[in-house]
Amino acid sequence: DAKTTQPTSMDCAEGRAANLPCNHSTISGNEYVYWYRQIHSQGPQYIIHGLKNNETNEMASLIITEDRKSSTLILPHATLRDTAVYYCIVRVNRDTGNQFYFGTGTSLTVIP
Amino acid sequence: EAQVTQNPRYLITVTGKKLTVTCSQNMNHEYMSWYRQDPGLGLRQIYYSMNVEVTDKGDVPEGYKVSRKEKRNFPLILESPSPNQTSLYFCASSLNYRAWGSSPLHFGNGTRLTVT
Repeated sequence: DAKTTQPTSMDCAEGRAANLPCNHSTISGNEYVYWYRQIHSQGPQYIIHGLKNNETNEMASLIITEDRKSSTLILPHATLRDTAVYYCIVRVNRDTGNQFYFGTGTSLTVIP
Repeated sequence: EAQVTQNPRYLITVTGKKLTVTCSQNMNHEYMSWYRQDPGLGLRQIYYSMNVEVTDKGDVPEGYKVSRKEKRNFPLILESPSPNQTSLYFCASSLNYRAWGSSPLHFGNGTRLTVT
């Protein structure tokens, strides 16, 4: 099953772009990459997802490499409120349904 | 407001005393799931359900039961809780397991369970 690998922690200066990498080298062709974040112990919040093409929404951009083995979440102008744990997830499709596999995520600290 | 509601938010109990954590969603989602979160281990899936009366084990199902008698509710049952089930629990739902690209998971606010 596809799993993801992320750095344990990162820092980013306030107002700068935060680039969070994720490796998913065993991803299959029809499996989506999702990004969530969790602030303190609240429920994880959906950010963005994609399959092959780069995606952008009001929160972030998602860059997926052509071979789909890795991706990068970009927060264009990080604020203090973006300090959180960010999870890169592959949605695994099975005949019996599907599962979201969460790793341990990247703890992003935005520094004033 | 579209949401996933878990109750209770906090629960302290003793070993062996059966308990149920409720989860309800008002979005007519077919897919529902339970996760536990422990320090250093991230979120691990306990059970999931693709629709009414259809449930399946996740990665860490031991010691837990679930039921899906109606679409909106997906309770998590601990028949005989033990201290190693002390954790933060999250319920989540998604529109449809077949809608691969258009149905992210929506999470509840969590239930912090302590078993002494």
